[in-house]
Amino acid sequence: QKEVEQDPGPLSVPEGAIVSLNCTYSNSAFQYFMWYRQYSRKGPELLMYTYSSGNKEDGRFTAQVDKSSKYISLFIRDSQPSDSATYLCATRDSSYKLIFGSGTRLLVRP
Amino acid sequence: EAGVTQFPSHSVIEKGQTVTLRCDPISGHDNLYWYRRVMGKEIKFLLHFVKESKQDESGMPNNRFLAERTGGTYSTLKVQPAELEDSGVYFCASATGAQETQYFGPGTRLLVL
Repeated sequence: QKEVEQDPGPLSVPEGAIVSLNCTYSNSAFQYFMWYRQYSRKGPELLMYTYSSGNKEDGRFTAQVDKSSKYISLFIRDSQPSDSATYLCATRDSSYKLIFGSGTRLLVRP
Repeated sequence: EAGVTQFPSHSVIEKGQTVTLRCDPISGHDNLYWYRRVMGKEIKFLLHFVKESKQDESGMPNNRFLAERTGGTYSTLKVQPAELEDSGVYFCASATGAQETQYFGPGTRLLVL
């Protein structure tokens, strides 16, 4: 079983739509959860991180963690074509190395 | 401030050859990580340096991979001899501390034929 599972997509939505990206994880000991965004031919860029359960909002982006169900979500409101990228959920283990999901490709159509 | 840089951006080699990838971390970042993504799989950890010392190399796939970090600055990852399954994108990341945000470079795309 993978430590972090993520639907690879692709996910195609019209501009202005609300996007929901999701991951599940297997180890209840994980505490930090991150969302990275990766544009084509670029490295992953940290978008948001959360600690333990709860919500965190940053502009059009909301990250949500439900530790009881081991579920991680990223919501994008008023999606823009510039949001088209691969979104990677990640957590980190006790030695601080990152454990990634496989990434979801998002396409926002103008 | 310059970000993490990696060289080369692409490398195409034949099976059995040697390839050396280089990573220059953000200035002042003592922590340097190597990750890789092989086709169709998730990004996976290879190893972690703190300054010039290997803190964790549990992700290194086998002894064909050798990583060094001279003087705690740039790092190299050598694959010798390269095999077909080594093809993928190799990312380097750096951070001020182990608990801090890891900043990724653009990656080196390696294709072994």
